[in-house]
Amino acid sequence: KQEVTQIPAALSVPEGENLVLNCSFTDSAIYNLQWFRQDPGKGLTSLLLIQSSQREQTSGRLNASLDKSSGRSTLYIAASQPGDSATYLCAVSNQAGTALIFGKGTTLSVSS
Amino acid sequence: GAGVSQTPSNKVTEKGKYVELRCDPISGHTALYWYRQSLGQGPEFLIYFQGTGAADDSGLPNDRFFAVRPEGSVSTLKIQRTERGDSAVYLCASSLNQDNEQFFGPGTRLTVL
Repeated sequence: KQEVTQIPAALSVPEGENLVLNCSFTDSAIYNLQWFRQDPGKGLTSLLLIQSSQREQTSGRLNASLDKSSGRSTLYIAASQPGDSATYLCAVSNQAGTALIFGKGTTLSVSS
Repeated sequence: GAGVSQTPSNKVTEKGKYVELRCDPISGHTALYWYRQSLGQGPEFLIYFQGTGAADDSGLPNDRFFAVRPEGSVSTLKIQRTERGDSAVYLCASSLNQDNEQFFGPGTRLTVL
């Protein structure tokens, strides 16, 4: 059974710092990996999608990498801002691409 | 519409009652997914539709849960004989096809008293 783990569970940083969020998964037979952001009481906002054949994706200050063989992904956030404060969720698709399996998330707090 | 919409945003019901939750996906998206999120947890998969058919319902917890998508667009998640343990946020997502990026709605918060 696929399990997704996100470390750390919570992270506090001052504004301007670069930071890395980690995601690991137990079964490398994934179709793709997606990173989301969730603000309190809100739905999920898609940040980046990495197909299983890709190694990384970039969007603005965000860069996500995927190492399928080792079962790991990282989300790099450059020059963090208070508006980046949210919970970040990592999700991997099952091999058929019919479902996402989520980690519990990393709650990020960026102080000004 | 511009994004995935869900109604109602909040639903409070009594134990044993029947509830329906609605999802309007992004126009043109053939794939639709339902998830359930409990406090402090990541969303858990319930069911996936490709067009009108439920292609994967392996996440439905029991036979009190049922979902339909009769015309391949709007979907309704139906819960019979609700239990307090059903209380959660129910999230709907859609994607262009099954292996594409999923876009989520704001969710319906269900509270069973």
